[in-house]
Amino acid sequence: SQQGEEDPQALSIQEGENATMNCSYKTSINNLQWYRQNSGRGLVHLILIRSNEREKHSGRLRVTLDTSKKSSSLLITASRAADTASYFCATDAGNTDKLIFGTGTRLQVFP
Amino acid sequence: GAGVSQTPSNKVTEKGKYVELRCDPISGHTALYWYRQSLGQGPEFLIYFQGTGAADDSGLPNDRFFAVRPEGSVSTLKIQRTERGDSAVYLCASSQTGRDTQYFGPGTRLTVL
Repeated sequence: SQQGEEDPQALSIQEGENATMNCSYKTSINNLQWYRQNSGRGLVHLILIRSNEREKHSGRLRVTLDTSKKSSSLLITASRAADTASYFCATDAGNTDKLIFGTGTRLQVFP
Repeated sequence: GAGVSQTPSNKVTEKGKYVELRCDPISGHTALYWYRQSLGQGPEFLIYFQGTGAADDSGLPNDRFFAVRPEGSVSTLKIQRTERGDSAVYLCASSQTGRDTQYFGPGTRLTVL
């Protein structure tokens, strides 16, 4: 079963614009992670945010977490064509070690 | 250092055959995970090992699926009597201790004809 839902399902933007993706989940969590996937193969870990954190930055990435709303957002600033990929959020669903993934957002950045 | 590796990268088999998929985790990582991803979907959890033991196999869809990790390092996912519905990308991940960042391999694309 899928824990998270990403919104939007697909997003198309021009290079240089910002891209925002949202993720909602259902149960309490210890942490939430964002991953990128190119061409349906291996996932690349982007960032992990813990339940007691509200915001985290890594380069052009900014992640927020609102545990009261059970939601997170990923912002990619000054997007590049190379950012074209699918982006997934994943949660640990509380006292589990497995990750439960959302359905993903397909981002297309046009040069 | 080397990341998670998976072999083969692609596997085509016929319905009813047996397949083995291999995962080599990052050296020193005690936790190893298997996920399955169908087209257009997010990965779905299959099984998790802490050391040599399967700590959580709740995601295995049925008894045709089995996984081992005999020495606490390399893991093999075994699928008996494959069905066309088993076609998917099988992803392996490892983490240092569990409940931490999981690092994924490139996946094995299984196609059952």
